[in-house]
Amino acid sequence: EAQVTQNPRYLITVTGKKLTVTCSQNMNHEYMSWYRQDPGLGLRQIYYSMNVEVTDKGDVPEGYKVSRKEKRNFPLILESPSPNQTSLYFCASSHTPGQQFQETQYFGPGTRLLVL
Amino acid sequence: AQSVTQLDSQVPVFEEAPVELRCNYSSSVSVYLFWYVQYPNQGLQLLLKYLSGSTLVKGINGFEAEFNKSQTSFHLRKPSVHISDTAEYFCAVSPLGGGGNKLTFGTGTQLKVEL
Repeated sequence: EAQVTQNPRYLITVTGKKLTVTCSQNMNHEYMSWYRQDPGLGLRQIYYSMNVEVTDKGDVPEGYKVSRKEKRNFPLILESPSPNQTSLYFCASSHTPGQQFQETQYFGPGTRLLVL
Repeated sequence: AQSVTQLDSQVPVFEEAPVELRCNYSSSVSVYLFWYVQYPNQGLQLLLKYLSGSTLVKGINGFEAEFNKSQTSFHLRKPSVHISDTAEYFCAVSPLGGGGNKLTFGTGTQLKVEL
């Protein structure tokens, strides 16, 4: 089954304790992205990756890191989490869009993070 | 840069009634348009998308949307809603060509279908 998986699905942590949220896709997609969802703000892009070893900042990258060492995986790293990073996080993937067409993004089930 | 406005944060409607969820966008370049649905405690699922061609787009679960370039709108409609349509709906845009695959989302509209 084609899917995007995220782990963990729920996480409670304390300020300053490093954590990693994993994202994996089995569709051989080049493009992967992380979003955070907050009430009244919709989804905002944190980081994205066009392919292996190619990553770039989205709209709200502060306090986050990513890496893309393999095509299927795109982990989100919070080196020193703070309470304002309490949110619902989504990973998404797609094939690379061409100049004349768009590729549908597939979303993972989400990771709910609480930073105390 | 792009922005998306969903003016209605909540829309209550009775079952079998029609519904329209409004979406307006702003962009200096041409865009692709999307509607996603998020059921409680689930990820986002694509309802429909407009890339080019006919401005009336049909999606899954009986939803459709119409692209109006002059009004920069992409409103979502369903002629008769079901209780199972209760969910949050997000409108999103992505720039044509280049710019990667970035989606800019609206703030969402919570559709609540009541008996």
